[in-house]
Amino acid sequence: AQSVTQPDIHITVSEGASLELRCNYSYGATPYLFWYVQSPGQGLQLLLKYFSGDTLVQGIKGFEAEFKRSQSSFNLRKPSVHWSDAAEYFCAVGGPSSGGSYIPTFGRGTSLIVHP
Amino acid sequence: GAGVSQSPSNKVTEKGKDVELRCDPISGHTALYWYRQSLGQGLEFLIYFQGNSAPDKSGLPSDRFSAERTGGSVSTLTIQRTQQEDSAVYLCASSITLISGRRQSTDTQYFGPGTRLTVL
Repeated sequence: AQSVTQPDIHITVSEGASLELRCNYSYGATPYLFWYVQSPGQGLQLLLKYFSGDTLVQGIKGFEAEFKRSQSSFNLRKPSVHWSDAAEYFCAVGGPSSGGSYIPTFGRGTSLIVHP
Repeated sequence: GAGVSQSPSNKVTEKGKDVELRCDPISGHTALYWYRQSLGQGLEFLIYFQGNSAPDKSGLPSDRFSAERTGGSVSTLTIQRTQQEDSAVYLCASSITLISGRRQSTDTQYFGPGTRLTVL
């Protein structure tokens, strides 16, 4: 069964500092990987996704993520955090299924706190 | 409207009452998902609709929960005899389904703003 682990429940960084949010997954084949962001009181918004090709993926708001098959990881990074990046971040994994339904699995989320 | 909409945005009910939550997906999206998000928790999958296929109900926590999707578009999640532990934010998402032969997968999920349910 597929699963996602986000080992950090909370991350605190100073504005302008770099950021890395960790995501490890378990999936039986080549996964589709997603990072979503949820601002307070809002629904989830896609930051970026990996389906195939270049393992370094660029997303919106200056975020990027790197797919590392050997480590089963898809960590999210940003070189310089802005106060508006404070939010909940969710990693999700899924992929093609042979028949039946397809349902992405989400991690429990990492709450990002940004200090001025 | 271009996005997924949900109504109501907030619902306060008394224990034992029934509630209905509505989701309007993006037009043309064949896949629709319901999730529950409790305080400090991740997204808990509830139910999945794909086109005209039978829904995947494997995530529904009890038989008090049910959902339907009429005409392949609007969906309603119904919770009967609500309990306090049902209090959560209920999120709906829709997506395009990518199909290649017998294999299908989902593309980006577009989420609605959610319905915050409070059971007193």
